[in-house]
Amino acid sequence: AQTVTQSQPEMSVQEAETVTLSCTYDTSESNYYLFWYKQPPSRQMILVIRQEAYKQQNATENRFSVNFQKAAKSFSLKISDSQLGDTAMYFCAFMKPYNAGNMLTFGGGTRLMVKP
Amino acid sequence: NAGVTQTPKFQVLKTGQSMTLQCAQDMNHEYMSWYRQDPGMGLRLIHYSVGAGITDQGEVPNGYNVSRSTTEDFPLRLLSAAPSQTSVYFCASKPQGTLAKLFFGSGTQLSVL
Repeated sequence: AQTVTQSQPEMSVQEAETVTLSCTYDTSESNYYLFWYKQPPSRQMILVIRQEAYKQQNATENRFSVNFQKAAKSFSLKISDSQLGDTAMYFCAFMKPYNAGNMLTFGGGTRLMVKP
Repeated sequence: NAGVTQTPKFQVLKTGQSMTLQCAQDMNHEYMSWYRQDPGMGLRLIHYSVGAGITDQGEVPNGYNVSRSTTEDFPLRLLSAAPSQTSVYFCASKPQGTLAKLFFGSGTQLSVL
């Protein structure tokens, strides 16, 4: 079974600064997918970024980028130029390909506070 | 386009009561699923469906039933609520394809006393 660990329950960052959220996972699979989801106070789950394990290049989406280290089983999220609207819970998630349930395995989350 | 709609948003039950959490999507997605979110544990898959008439168990199915009579609706039933089922429940849907984007509803916060 896969496990996903987010070791930082809470973090804070000043507006316009850069912050990195950590995620490690454990799997015996060689191919898989990794995701970061954002959950603002509205409770809505929003996909931030995703990475396919067979791709060497780190994914980027505007101010969000990942540092994917496959050998270390690490998948950190970097948020540049932090904005007040980035305040939210952030969840790292893992998915095996070709699993019938398309099940995502989530980490416990990191609460990020962006301070003005 | 409403997306994924969940009702109710909040619910309080007494132990032993039954209820149905409703989920509807208007995007003609074949795949629908239910997750529960507990503090410190992220979301865990309860049940899922890959099309009308087809359902299967996820990681934590005990105490929950589902059915999928139409493409649009995927209700989650609690037959005899227990305090351990106090949680936030999310319905999600997506089109075919492993990497297709998963669309989440806004969640139902359920408290069982």
